[in-house]
This record gives sequence, C-alpha cells and structure tokens, in this order.
Amino acid sequence: GENVEQHPSTLSVQEGDSAVIKCTYSDSASNYFPWYKQELGKRPQLIIDIRSNVGEKKDQRIAVTLNKTAKHFSLHITETQPEDSAVYFCAATVSGNTPLVFGKGTRLSVIA
Amino acid sequence: GAGVSQSPSNKVTEKGKDVELRCDPISGHTALYWYRQSLGQGLEFLIYFQGNSAPDKSGLPSDRFSAERTGGSVSTLTIQRTQQEDSAVYLCASSKQGANEKLFFGSGTQLSVL
Repeated sequence: GENVEQHPSTLSVQEGDSAVIKCTYSDSASNYFPWYKQELGKRPQLIIDIRSNVGEKKDQRIAVTLNKTAKHFSLHITETQPEDSAVYFCAATVSGNTPLVFGKGTRLSVIA
Repeated sequence: GAGVSQSPSNKVTEKGKDVELRCDPISGHTALYWYRQSLGQGLEFLIYFQGNSAPDKSGLPSDRFSAERTGGSVSTLTIQRTQQEDSAVYLCASSKQGANEKLFFGSGTQLSVL
C-alpha cells in the first residue's frame, strides 16, 4: 500500500519568513495530494490540494508543488504569521476507492 | 449545516473492557473513515467505508478492533479487551464520495485506558 514520509517533524520560523514542508510517497499511481492543518485541540482541516495533472497550485500565501517523477510534493507558506502555527499533514491516495494515507505531520511554530 | 459528530468526546475505561465509539457523518456523504491519532503522532488509517462496497479494513491494528456502518450512515468502532496502547484520539471523517476529495473530520473521541 501507499506510504507517505514527511519532513521535517518540527519547524520554527520567524514571522514573515517562508516555511517549506516536504513529503514523499511510494505508490507511483497516487494522483491526489491534499494538505491538512490541525491547530492545537482542533480537528484537521483541508487547506489546499493538488492533483497529478498539475505541477503547482497556489492560494494566497500557500502553494503546493508536485514532482511526479521524483514522487514528492511540498507545501510552501510565505510571509508566515503566528496564526500559521499548527501541525500540518500531507496525504496521498491512488483514487477515491483507496484510503487517504497521511504523513506523520510537521509542527510549525511561527515566532513573533 | 451539521458537521461530523462523534460520541463520546471522552472515554475512560479499564484495561480489558470493551468500548464503542460512534460517528455520525454529514448527511449524504457516502464515504466514512476512521483514523487514530496518538499523542504527538500522525493520523493512522484504521478503516474506510465507501458506499455499498466492502470496507477497507487494512489499517486495523489487531482483531480486537472492528467497525460497522449501518444503513450507510452511522458508524461504530468497537475495541474489545482494551489495552493501554489503545489510548489515543479516534477521529472519524466523511466525504461526499471518496478519498480523493475534501474530508470533513469530527472532533474525535479521546480514549484513555487505565
């Protein structure tokens, strides 16, 4: 089955700097790659996703890039703010019929 | 509208007892998932129900764990003969049709096995 590796496990940045989180996946047939944000004590929420027919997607300060050949995808957050502090999870799945497999998460701390 | 509802929010039990955790998905969502989140850990897949298909049970850690989904709606996760290592937050999620779209998570059940 699919296996998703995520790094770093923790990341601290100064407010206003950029943050990058990277994930690799094992199943070359995977074609859907979402990112979820979980604030302390709250449930995970989808922040952005990308499908394998595109290489990059952007939504305001966040962007995701996908390299299918290398089987890795990354989350980029620019101009970080304290409210970006949370745990971020990447995930991958082959299709709607297979489960969504998550990475182990990255704890991002934005220091004011 | 109502989101994914889980109950109880907290459950404390003694080692060896059975527990049942309930998930009420968003109305009309055909896909339902159970994940486990241990302290500081990621989201560990347990089981996936999609429509009328046989559930994907490949993530269940042992035969003490089972789940069912009645009438394509409410789901119950049962853990028999609980062990201390079962202590975790059990999260349920649902989506309209499948895993390749937005998942809506419940607030979870915090299970503590003493």
